[in-house]
Amino acid sequence: GEDVEQSLFLSVREGDSSVINCTYTDSSSTYLYWYKQEPGAGLQLLTYIFSNMDMKQDQRLTVLLNKKDKHLSLRIADTQTGDSAIYFCAEKTSYDKVIFGPGTSLSVIP
Amino acid sequence: NAGVMQNPRHLVRRRGQEARLRCSPMKGHSHVYWYRQLPEEGLKFMVYLQKENIIDESGMPKERFSAEFPKEGPSILRIQQVVRGDSAAYFCASSATSGGDRGRQYFGPGTRLTVT
Repeated sequence: GEDVEQSLFLSVREGDSSVINCTYTDSSSTYLYWYKQEPGAGLQLLTYIFSNMDMKQDQRLTVLLNKKDKHLSLRIADTQTGDSAIYFCAEKTSYDKVIFGPGTSLSVIP
Repeated sequence: NAGVMQNPRHLVRRRGQEARLRCSPMKGHSHVYWYRQLPEEGLKFMVYLQKENIIDESGMPKERFSAEFPKEGPSILRIQQVVRGDSAAYFCASSATSGGDRGRQYFGPGTRLTVT
């Protein structure tokens, strides 16, 4: 079946790097996404990676994809208090459906 | 180019009433997706529509929920005879039919439904 898993909580100190991990099951997924949801707000697309890429970097964000292990990670360098939010990993399946993980709640300690 | 628009942003209904949620996709997008986010949970896919067609409704509850995306006008998610368990945030997303980045879905701000 289709499933996306993430750890539910992560706590880091301000200035450290955060690494949020995600695993998925659909080997035919085409795109993988990271979304950010701040309290009371909608989803914001942070970054995405096409399934034939290994890595994508965008300013403080680095996405790593291990397609063999179906593992995706999001690294946030120099984490700030404004990065506190819930981060959703998602995969787009070959049927054009996007499957979301449960979200990882990131808490940044000043 | 305006993003995906949803209205209302907040909707309060009493048990047994009907809720209608509207989604206007981005200009040029003809694919619409509805998701539900229950309190303390992640997003769950509900339905995927193209103009005048339901492509995948595998996430829709079998009763009381329906969705449409007419040739003209916004996509509508309709919930009849609402119950307290329907209280959630409902997000709409849209994507283009073609182009270099077909995979990218753009999300609206969501409609927060509260059933009293």
